[in-house]
Amino acid sequence: KAGVTQTPRYLIKTRGQQVTLSCSPISGHRSVSWYQQTPGQGLQFLFEYFSETQRNKGNFPGRFSGRQFSNSRSEMNVSTLELGDSALYLCASSWTGDPQETQYFGPGTRLLVL
Amino acid sequence: DAKTTQPPSMDCAEGRAANLPCNHSTISGNEYVYWYRQIHSQGPQYIIHGLKNNETNEMASLIITEDRKSSTLILPHATLRDTAVYYCIVRSHAGNNRKLIWGLGTSLAVNP
Repeated sequence: KAGVTQTPRYLIKTRGQQVTLSCSPISGHRSVSWYQQTPGQGLQFLFEYFSETQRNKGNFPGRFSGRQFSNSRSEMNVSTLELGDSALYLCASSWTGDPQETQYFGPGTRLLVL
Repeated sequence: DAKTTQPPSMDCAEGRAANLPCNHSTISGNEYVYWYRQIHSQGPQYIIHGLKNNETNEMASLIITEDRKSSTLILPHATLRDTAVYYCIVRSHAGNNRKLIWGLGTSLAVNP
């Protein structure tokens, strides 16, 4: 079974621009979570989607948003990019039939904001 | 804030067992202990998780103390490819506590 895929893998943007990152979960997984990883803050939770609804949210500004489609694919968007948004953005999916809903991660999208 | 404490770094000789400790003294009764690892700049890889019983899979063993305040991840025969940052996480499966809260992890160096 294919793992979690994220596109693009690398991205360079300039301040003020917006960016959209995509995540395709493992087949059959309907829950998708997003995390940001930076050297200074480590891994931090952004939000979680299930059945096209956000069911959990971290402490990030409103510039960070996401959505999930009916096929469980998810996108996250960052508007008005800041230098501090440079990070590795990770997507994880889980199967709701698993009582613990163990999260499995994709390779990440590395975003550089200049 | 993360609810776990791990040593920042450890070394292990190739072929020997790597024993990675984790303290989680404030763990609640419904929280599981999860272990992930991250090889440089890649996505975290799930290793194992448990509630109160010891667990073993093809990658590792997880030993949880009887009071559940600490645990140890054991890689029985470490290889160079096991060099990574290992994260111990306590996680509930209920509502807003479902998210993974990451600490700084342990950087394990497996030496030839």
